[in-house]
Amino acid sequence: QKEVEQNSGPLSVPEGAIASLNCTYSDRGSQSFFWYRQYSGKSPELIMFIYSNGDKEDGRFTAQLNKASQYVSLLIRDSQPSDSATYLCAVNTGYSTLTFGKGTMLLVSP
Amino acid sequence: DADVTQTPRNRITKTGKRIMLECSQTKGHDRMYWYRQDPGLGLRLIYYSFDVKDINKGEISDGYSVSRQAQAKFSLSLESAIPNQTALYFCATSDPQGMGDYGYTFGSGTRLTVV
Repeated sequence: QKEVEQNSGPLSVPEGAIASLNCTYSDRGSQSFFWYRQYSGKSPELIMFIYSNGDKEDGRFTAQLNKASQYVSLLIRDSQPSDSATYLCAVNTGYSTLTFGKGTMLLVSP
Repeated sequence: DADVTQTPRNRITKTGKRIMLECSQTKGHDRMYWYRQDPGLGLRLIYYSFDVKDINKGEISDGYSVSRQAQAKFSLSLESAIPNQTALYFCATSDPQGMGDYGYTFGSGTRLTVV
């Protein structure tokens, strides 16, 4: 069974700090990796995707992928209170459906 | 208007009743999905469809059925609702443009309560 694991949190960081969110996956055949942000009671919103080893940067967000270690992470620089949400890691294993982790709650305090 | 529209937004129904959740999209995507989200369990795939003639079961399809009426419409039915189907249901679409781009666009969700 394909699994995607995330620490449920909450991860608490002060405003302006770097938040680091982590995700591991079980299927070595996984091809692409996604980070979604979900505010309470709202739908998930895609913020990053990555499919090559290394780093991918978009504004304050950086996704990092290490396929050998089956590990993907999301860094949020200069964290803001508006970043407080649950972050979902999702993995595509080549069959065009996504398997989601249970999410990590991030709390950014002013 | 939203790209992916789900109706109803909220619904309370009784055990044993049949209920249909509807999803329509204006993105022109071929691929559509139904997920449910439960506290502590995350998002789980119920059914998915890659075109009008293609329907596939996900990991938790028991107790559910679907209909793909058109490219833009994908409905989820609970034939005889039970309380453990109480959850937040999401419809999603995707249109892969490249090797990595299988990201979904989600609807706003339907909060279903079975009493």
